[in-house]
Amino acid sequence: DAKTTQPPSMDCAEGRAANLPCNHSTISGNEYVYWYRQIHSQGPQYIIHGLKNNETNEMASLIITEDRKSSTLILPHATLRDTAVYYCIALRTSYGKLTFGQGTILTVHP
Amino acid sequence: GAVVSQHPSRVICKSGTSVKIECRSLDFQATTMFWYRQFPKQSLMLMATSNEGSKATYEQGVEKDKFLINHASLTLSTLTVTSAHPEDSSFYICSAPGTAGLGSQPQHFGDGTRLSIL
Repeated sequence: DAKTTQPPSMDCAEGRAANLPCNHSTISGNEYVYWYRQIHSQGPQYIIHGLKNNETNEMASLIITEDRKSSTLILPHATLRDTAVYYCIALRTSYGKLTFGQGTILTVHP
Repeated sequence: GAVVSQHPSRVICKSGTSVKIECRSLDFQATTMFWYRQFPKQSLMLMATSNEGSKATYEQGVEKDKFLINHASLTLSTLTVTSAHPEDSSFYICSAPGTAGLGSQPQHFGDGTRLSIL
């Protein structure tokens, strides 16, 4: 699975959009980009995933560049409860084991 | 949606005790489950892949005799930490892929088990 690179930490004001970048320059054509988050002392929570097209669900939007070398997770209106570690993972199939990097610590402040 | 239940959520026990952690898929069948371990301020590290009806596959450096995995049914995998010592204290998390046959469906995680060995 392709290696991903994320900034170690980011801050965001409550109510504003949080844009979390992820670099996956070696991603192959059949690898999906998955985003999970982990709130303190809980198991990871699935957020969204995509292959080529941009995706949106009730939690977030995922923007994947045309060359697929990077992506951005967008939380449109961040709340204090969105404070968590966000992980970007490139994976060919969900049946495969997930390799977690260090992720991005997102802190949403009032 | 798909839910993975993990039990117990927290356990404190004496050194030398064996501890069993259960991971259940509540509304779907899981032929494969994964066990992770997470130390404070670190990321999740995969320990092993649990396969229903066959032996688990362990990651390099994980002692198979120390961390016994049993996946006897399509909805239950157990991790037993045998003769636990303080260095085994950690946050243990299981996961299972979503609906079978849909390769891009996300994995679902349990809420984790906080193990503290005194």
